[in-house]
Amino acid sequence: AQTVTQSQPEMSVQEAETVTLSCTYDTSENNYYLFWYKQPPSRQMILVIRQEAYKQQNATENRFSVNFQKAAKSFSLKISDSQLGDTAMYFCAFTSYSGAGSYQLTFGKGTKLSVIP
Amino acid sequence: KAGVTQTPRYLIKTRGQQVTLSCSPISGHRSVSWYQQTPGQGLQFLFEYFSETQRNKGNFPGRFSGRQFSNSRSEMNVSTLELGDSALYLCASSPGRRGVSGRDNEQFFGPGTRLTVL
Repeated sequence: AQTVTQSQPEMSVQEAETVTLSCTYDTSENNYYLFWYKQPPSRQMILVIRQEAYKQQNATENRFSVNFQKAAKSFSLKISDSQLGDTAMYFCAFTSYSGAGSYQLTFGKGTKLSVIP
Repeated sequence: KAGVTQTPRYLIKTRGQQVTLSCSPISGHRSVSWYQQTPGQGLQFLFEYFSETQRNKGNFPGRFSGRQFSNSRSEMNVSTLELGDSALYLCASSPGRRGVSGRDNEQFFGPGTRLTVL
């Protein structure tokens, strides 16, 4: 079974600064996908960024980038130029092909990020 | 494209009752997954439906069931409600095409249904 661990329950960052959220996972699979989801107070889960395990290049989406270390099973999220709208719970998630075409997400417990003006 | 919609947004039930939650996926998406979110257990996978068939199931008791209709809309049913069933129930849709790697496995979430069991 896969597990996802987020070791930082809460973090804060000053507006315009950079923050890094940590995530580690455990799997015996070789082909899998990793995601970061954002859940603001509205509770709508929003996909922030994804990484395919077979790609060595780290994914980037505007101010969001990841540091994917496959051997270490580490997948951290870096948010640059933090904005007040980045205040949210951030969830790291893992998925791999589970047979019959199905991909189920396994989530970490989340990191609550507060951006301070 | 319209996003994933879930109805109702809020529900209050009493122990022993049953409840049905509804999810309409993004147009063209054929896979619908359900997740339960609680403060203690976090986000847990309930089940996934694809083309009206349950394709995958999480570790939940048989009181939790679901179905999917030909238009890909899905319903989730919880019978004999317990206090511990109080949670945010999230539905996610994806294209769900079999065996396709790439972005087709991305899941897009609805706003959730907040269920309170008294």
